Amino acid sequence: QVQLVQSESDVLKPGSSVKVSCKTSADIVNNYSVHWVRRAPGQGLEWVGKIAPSVGITKSADRFRGRVTLTADTSTATAFLEVRRLTFDDTAVYFCGRSVMNDFYFHMDVWGQGTTVVVSS
Amino acid sequence: QSVLTQSPSLSAAPGQRVIISCSGTSSTIGNNYVSWYRHLPGSSPELVAFNDDKRPSGIPDRFSASKSRSSATLAIAALQTGDEGDYFCASWDSGVSTVIFGGGTRLTVL
Repeated sequence: QVQLVQSESDVLKPGSSVKVSCKTSADIVNNYSVHWVRRAPGQGLEWVGKIAPSVGITKSADRFRGRVTLTADTSTATAFLEVRRLTFDDTAVYFCGRSVMNDFYFHMDVWGQGTTVVVSS
Repeated sequence: QSVLTQSPSLSAAPGQRVIISCSGTSSTIGNNYVSWYRHLPGSSPELVAFNDDKRPSGIPDRFSASKSRSSATLAIAALQTGDEGDYFCASWDSGVSTVIFGGGTRLTVL
């Protein structure tokens, strides 16, 4: 069964950075995109961005542009989400998941277990 | 940026049928496939429908999705208490080349 395994939860100070990892598989990094979605307390699901590891294409939501970096290490089949200049509003559970590479058909059918990021002074 | 509009909440009794709606635009639902997710806090979101009307393996046929123009619906028949949760629609937004999620509908089975 396909699994995505994310890094452990973390507590960080405002203004700092966090890097969340998502261990996938060779099949995923070669044939799928990895998307990142978060859910803040009391809020809905929010798309953060995506990376297509095999072609190196990344895209992030406008509100995160300049503050997030999406990368992948194809040798270890691991995707990473880095968020900089954290604010209290970045407190959320961050999920990675796979989707087909053609965004017209976007749907996340396999998800990681989630990484809780708490921003606290 | 476009939005996908969902009613915030819905409640129904066990055994009943509910319809969760999702309204978009031509740049979202109107010209891209829709997917639906159920999310219970403390767990990972679960795909319950994709490509407008397809059901993943393991999702019972009580769940059915459809789309007409720029609106989509997820119907759940013979409701069970285990169907409770927050349901989200999503699609690609061709206008700005991003994914967009609806605001979510909290389903309560009384």
